[in-house]
Formats: sequence, structure tokens, C-alpha cells
Amino acid sequence: RKEVEQDPGPFNVPEGATVAFNCTYSNSASQSFFWYRQDCRKEPKLLMSVYSSGNEDGRFTAQLNRASQYISLLIRDSKLSDSATYLCVVNGDSGAGSYQLTFGKGTKLSVIP
Amino acid sequence: EPEVTQTPSHQVTQMGQEVILRCVPISNHLYFYWYRQILGQKVEFLVSFYNNEISEKSEIFDDQFSVERPDGSNFTLKIRSTKLEDSAMYFCASTPRGTSGLEQFFGPGTRLTVL
Repeated sequence: RKEVEQDPGPFNVPEGATVAFNCTYSNSASQSFFWYRQDCRKEPKLLMSVYSSGNEDGRFTAQLNRASQYISLLIRDSKLSDSATYLCVVNGDSGAGSYQLTFGKGTKLSVIP
Repeated sequence: EPEVTQTPSHQVTQMGQEVILRCVPISNHLYFYWYRQILGQKVEFLVSFYNNEISEKSEIFDDQFSVERPDGSNFTLKIRSTKLEDSAMYFCASTPRGTSGLEQFFGPGTRLTVL
């Protein structure tokens, strides 16, 4: 069974703080990795893809460790607008050419003034 | 910017009734998906669709569910006889190609409430 596990949260942090989220996945055949952001009662939106070499997009840094099947997201200098649920997502061809996404339950972040 | 659209935004129905949820994927996309999210739970894959046929479906997608692309733009999810446990947000998504590294673009969702 393909599973993605995340920190349960919630994380309540002050503005300007650095916060890190962790995620593990069970399917070693997973091919692609993402962090999505979901605002309350809205659709998931791609925050960033995650590469083995690690990647950075402004205040956001994502890391992937394939050997440990572990993904992380670091948010620096948190803004009020970062308040959302962060979804760890993996994707891989199950053999049917479908590339379905498998989602974690998400970690809720609240940035406090 | 092109976007996936879904209608209706909220559907209320009685248990046992049929519902059709509608999606218009991004126009040059070829792969289509339905996901659902029960309140407070994770987003779950239901079905993928390519070249006018189902590519893959999850164990949730039983005989009560069906999908269709009736024309060049719409992609529908039908639930034949709704149950209370079908109450959820249903998200449609699309990608231009069948490659794992591509972003799946999600529509705003349809909130289905079964009474």
C-alpha cells in the first residue's frame, strides 16, 4: 500500500520564524515528489517540486533523500500569508501509465503576528 | 492563465440520488483525474483518464462511479446512487502529458453533501 506520512502539526509560529516539515513515503518506486499548499476549503496548489539535489525557491527549500525515503520543506522568514496546510505528495507510474498522486494528510501551519 | 473549472461549486443531494460533477480541464491537456477529500482527511485518488478510457482507478472507484468525456471539453464524474459517505470535496485535475514529474493542475472542487 502506498502511503505518505507527515508531521501531524499544527505548527504555530511567529512571523519571521523558520519552520521545517518532514515527510516519509513508503513506495520506493515513487518517481516524483512535490510539496503542495492547500488553503482552507480550497484546491491543492503546487508549491514546488522536490529534486534529489535539493532545490530552493525564495524562502522555501526542499530536500529529498531517496535512500531514506524522506522529504523535507524548510520555510524561512515566515509570513502571515504562509498560513496554510502543506501537503507532501508523491507520484509514480504504477504500471498503468496513470501517474496518480499520493497525498499525505498535510501539516497545518499558522503564522502568528 | 489557463485553469481547470468545475461545476457546480456545491451540490446537495438526497441519499440514493444520482449526481454528475462536471469539469473543464485545461484545453491542451490530455490526462484527466478525479480526486476526493473527505472533510479533515487527505486527498485521495479516484480515477485517471486518457484517450477516452480509464487508465487506472482506486478501490474507492467502485461500480457506483463512472467517468465520461462527452465532448471535447467536458470531463464528468457520475455517482449513480449516492451514499452518506460520498459527502466530500471532489477535485478534477489535468496534465498535458503522462509524465510523472509534471504538475497536476487542480480545479476549485465541488463540495458534495449527501443528506
